[in-house]
Amino acid sequence: GQQVMQIPQYQHVQEGEDFTTYCNSSTTLSNIQWYKQRPGGHPVFLIQLVKSGEVKKQKRLTFQFGEAKKNSSLHITATQTTDVGTYFCAGEDSWGKLQFGAGTQVVVTP
Amino acid sequence: DTGVSQDPRHKITKRGQNVTFRCDPISEHNRLYWYRQTLGQGPEFLTYFQNEAQLEKSRLLSDRFSAERPKGSFSTLEIQRTEQGDSAMYLCASSFPLGNEQFFGPGTRLTVL
Repeated sequence: GQQVMQIPQYQHVQEGEDFTTYCNSSTTLSNIQWYKQRPGGHPVFLIQLVKSGEVKKQKRLTFQFGEAKKNSSLHITATQTTDVGTYFCAGEDSWGKLQFGAGTQVVVTP
Repeated sequence: DTGVSQDPRHKITKRGQNVTFRCDPISEHNRLYWYRQTLGQGPEFLTYFQNEAQLEKSRLLSDRFSAERPKGSFSTLEIQRTEQGDSAMYLCASSFPLGNEQFFGPGTRLTVL
């Protein structure tokens, strides 16, 4: 079955620095979604990527979908304390079911 | 509040007891999903509905778990004969069909003693 892996599991970042988290699927995805979960909260949708090679930006966040539609990345520039949380990628299969990765937990040091 | 709601928010039960959770999705959404999340992991798919039809149930889900969505609106998830390994956060989400973002509820945290 479909497996979605994320690295790194943890990311400690100094405020103001950039970082990237990566997502890889064992199968080709129809689309990939990214969610953010704050400590004690529930996952909140950030973005969806559908096309091969697609790049989307949301302020300081840049999302990329690989050419083969099997991998994705999230790059955050000039990290702020509000970026704290766990970022999940989730691959959608052809039936609309999401397979979540284990997430990257981001800790920001002021 | 027009978001996804779940009840109860917390449930503590003894091993062997049955528990039932409720999820009220966003009213316009015809898809409803149940996930389980344990510490340090992403949400794990359990089952989902389109309107009242249950489309898929995870093969990882034992027959102690059952879900219903009788009128295509709210849904219930029942766990029979709970075990300590069932302790987790149970999340519900809703969406329009295929390829749309899922809106998650606050979850029900289950603790089995």
